[in-house]
Amino acid sequence: EAGVAQSPRYKIIEKRQSVAFWCNPISGHATLYWYQQILGQGPKLLIQFQNNGVVDDSQLPKDRFSAERLKGVDSTLKIQPAKLEDSAVYLCASSPGGLTGETQYFGPGTRLLVL
Amino acid sequence: GIQVEQSPPDLILQEGANSTLRCNFSDSVNNLQWFHQNPWGQLINLFYIPSGTKQNGRLSATTVATERYSLLYISSSQTTDSGVYFCAPLRAAGNKLTFGGGTRVLVKP
Repeated sequence: EAGVAQSPRYKIIEKRQSVAFWCNPISGHATLYWYQQILGQGPKLLIQFQNNGVVDDSQLPKDRFSAERLKGVDSTLKIQPAKLEDSAVYLCASSPGGLTGETQYFGPGTRLLVL
Repeated sequence: GIQVEQSPPDLILQEGANSTLRCNFSDSVNNLQWFHQNPWGQLINLFYIPSGTKQNGRLSATTVATERYSLLYISSSQTTDSGVYFCAPLRAAGNKLTFGGGTRVLVKP
């Protein structure tokens, strides 16, 4: 079974530029999550989708971050415009149904450096 | 939100040594996951443990939900055990993981 796929693996941009990340979850998984992991910290949830609907985006900085999952499968996370403090690893995870207590499976992450 | 504290923050081990990592959490939780983040950044599921004890090879975990803590045991450590270990309780509502700050483990040959 293929795992969670993410691209690109690395991205370097200048502040005020825009950037987009892509995630393909494990086949059949209804729930998809985006996390931000700043160096030296644990991952922090940005947004959770159940199929193509948003379940929780309370920690997403909506003035600059946006995410979509149009067909309930792939998802994209966008930052526009980027700030220096957005430098982090962006992790995508998926779980089968979003039920309480389900195991989440993580992709390899996208490392973003904002200069 | 729930607060998660992991200790120790850093751990240096000689290959073959045993160690215990601790995770304290501030509120009732439905479940708890332990992860290993390898030096390449990949988060790998180790345990999914709401209560009791589980073992997988040289690793085992115990969660005492009523006392709000979980322990991860590494026995006969190997250099491949190096990396960061995270615990992440799952809150009752939804399926939301809250990660601790991690324990950074370095196993020396």
